[in-house]
Amino acid sequence: EVQLVESGGGLVQPGGSLRLSCAASGFTVSSNDMSWVRQAPGKGLEGVSLIYSGDKTHYGDSVKGRFTISRDNSKNTVYLQMNSLRAEDTAVYFCARDIVGATAYWGQGTLVTVSS
Amino acid sequence: QSALTQTASVSGSPGQSITISCTGTSRDVGNYNLVSWYQQHPGKAPKLMIYEDNKRPSGVSNRFSGSKSGNTASLTISGLQAEDEADYYCCSYAGSNTLYVFGTGTKVTVL
Repeated sequence: EVQLVESGGGLVQPGGSLRLSCAASGFTVSSNDMSWVRQAPGKGLEGVSLIYSGDKTHYGDSVKGRFTISRDNSKNTVYLQMNSLRAEDTAVYFCARDIVGATAYWGQGTLVTVSS
Repeated sequence: QSALTQTASVSGSPGQSITISCTGTSRDVGNYNLVSWYQQHPGKAPKLMIYEDNKRPSGVSNRFSGSKSGNTASLTISGLQAEDEADYYCCSYAGSNTLYVFGTGTKVTVL
């Protein structure tokens, strides 16, 4: 059974850092395009970062230079390192597989709150 | 990376049909047959309803159908039911040098 379990969210002060994890089961993350998508309270979905199966990565303009996506194939886990966090980064962060494909699958999300 | 444009809200009575539109550009919606539609209930993760413009995953009701003309994709829900009340988002591939692009979202209300 396919599963994606996000963890690592929480309350952090502005300027701080967090690392989100997305543990996958039922498939291999290295063979799929994996994304982080966020949703601010009461707002729509926003693409944050993407790592292709071939290791190419992309970032949204609002997080470029601050966030880094990576993958540990031995742990079948995708990460999102978030630095220099701002209040506007407050959101539920979803991990997802193959967003525009037939095998799209999303985790339940982890809440990140940036506040002093 | 501009968001795709969706109507903010659409409503209909049970049994009726409604259509949600998603307008992009020739760099995303109009250039690839890779538009997906997601349904999201409050506090839940998005659920895939349509992929590759008009394909339905197994387990998704055939009341949901997708289409596309030029730079505009559409999702039609026929025989509207109470459980269809949710937010709907389109999402398009936009090339190998950028992220996927999401729509602004449409709130569907069943009257």
